[in-house]
Amino acid sequence: AQTVTQSQPEMSVQEAETVTLSCTYDTSESNYYLFWYKQPPSRQMILVIRQEAYKQQNATENRFSVNFQKAAKSFSLKISDSQLGDTAMYFCAFLVEYGNKLVFGAGTILRVKS
Amino acid sequence: DTEVTQTPKHLVMGMTNKKSLKCEQHMGHRAMYWYKQKAKKPPELMFVYSYEKLSINESVPSRFSPECPNSSLLNLHLHALQPEDSALYLCASSPTRQALAKNIQYFGAGTRLSVL
Repeated sequence: AQTVTQSQPEMSVQEAETVTLSCTYDTSESNYYLFWYKQPPSRQMILVIRQEAYKQQNATENRFSVNFQKAAKSFSLKISDSQLGDTAMYFCAFLVEYGNKLVFGAGTILRVKS
Repeated sequence: DTEVTQTPKHLVMGMTNKKSLKCEQHMGHRAMYWYKQKAKKPPELMFVYSYEKLSINESVPSRFSPECPNSSLLNLHLHALQPEDSALYLCASSPTRQALAKNIQYFGAGTRLSVL
């Protein structure tokens, strides 16, 4: 069975600064996908970024980037130039290849302060 | 367009009521999901439909009854719910494994359910 651990229940960051959210996972699978989802107070779950395990290059999406360390089973999310709209609950999630059952971490509440 | 539409946005029901939640997507996705989410917790998978057939039921009580009448629509029928069933119910959809951008689940905004 796969598990996903987010060790930071809450974090704060000043507007325009950079913040890193941690995620570790445990699996015996070789091929899988990792995701970061954002859920603002409006409650819509939005995909932030996606990483295929077979790709060594770290995924980036504008201000969002990941540090994927497959051997360490670590998948952290870096948010650069933080904006007030980044305030949300962030979930790290794991999906085995050809599976359709997302395994979520407990989530990290991120507050961006002005 | 990556929109999954859920109705209603809010629902209050008594323990003897029967109600239904609706989810719709027009992205051609052939996998659809129901999740239950309590406050400040991650979503918990309830059901998965693949090609309109139920493929996963995560031991959900029978007072929750899913239905997938066609490839765009997913319903969740509710009957004799308990107060502890109060939660945010999220619907999601994803392309099939053969499609591009496979495995990404797109979520709706959810239905906030309160059981009195």
